[in-house]
Amino acid sequence: DTEVTQTPKHLVMGMTNKKSLKCEQHMGHRAMYWYKQKAKKPPELMFVYSYEKLSINESVPSRFSPECPNSSLLNLHLHALQPEDSALYLCATRPGGVNTEAFFGQGTRLTVV
Amino acid sequence: AQSVTQLDSQVPVFEEAPVELRCNYSSSVSVYLFWYVQYPNQGLQLLLKYLSGSTLVESINGFEAEFNKSQTSFHLRKPSVHISDTAEYFCAVSPNSGYSTLTFGKGTMLLVSP
Repeated sequence: DTEVTQTPKHLVMGMTNKKSLKCEQHMGHRAMYWYKQKAKKPPELMFVYSYEKLSINESVPSRFSPECPNSSLLNLHLHALQPEDSALYLCATRPGGVNTEAFFGQGTRLTVV
Repeated sequence: AQSVTQLDSQVPVFEEAPVELRCNYSSSVSVYLFWYVQYPNQGLQLLLKYLSGSTLVESINGFEAEFNKSQTSFHLRKPSVHISDTAEYFCAVSPNSGYSTLTFGKGTMLLVSP
């Protein structure tokens, strides 16, 4: 199984809502990432989890809250978002400790209204 | 630190024509290099990678890239493109030791027309 599965595929939320994005992998990879991608731009790193511990937070606003409940799951909790947070949110994984390729999920298209 | 430059933001070509998408990188350490492809509203898919060994790497759908250490380049080529190759292409780099995240270029949109 070489898949990274993200749910939901699409999400529309109001600025006062609380929602969560989910990412699941069964490749045994120990590094998991959240990226944000705006239209016609490269992915922008948000968070890195290494062996289920948060290792990198790229100064992301606290309205985004990551969580790694176990080695297969990565969540991104969303609260009080702004319209400018609308983007494609991508999850990616890599084997822990080596810098080989990252495997990306299909993303969640988030629209904040 | 590493950086990646993709000089062309958009490359229009006709179907069955050859294409080259340029990628140059900067790094003070040895690196691994990657090309990813992204179709509209989808995630990134690995197209090909250079980790070690032969400097010419090929993908299953006809793309190839050559690692040129002296010119710090990893250009992507295809001798004959199809309409279905229309997509955004990202070049990425990562140090080959220690542990680090991927550094992406800004992307090149390949537009193939009939």
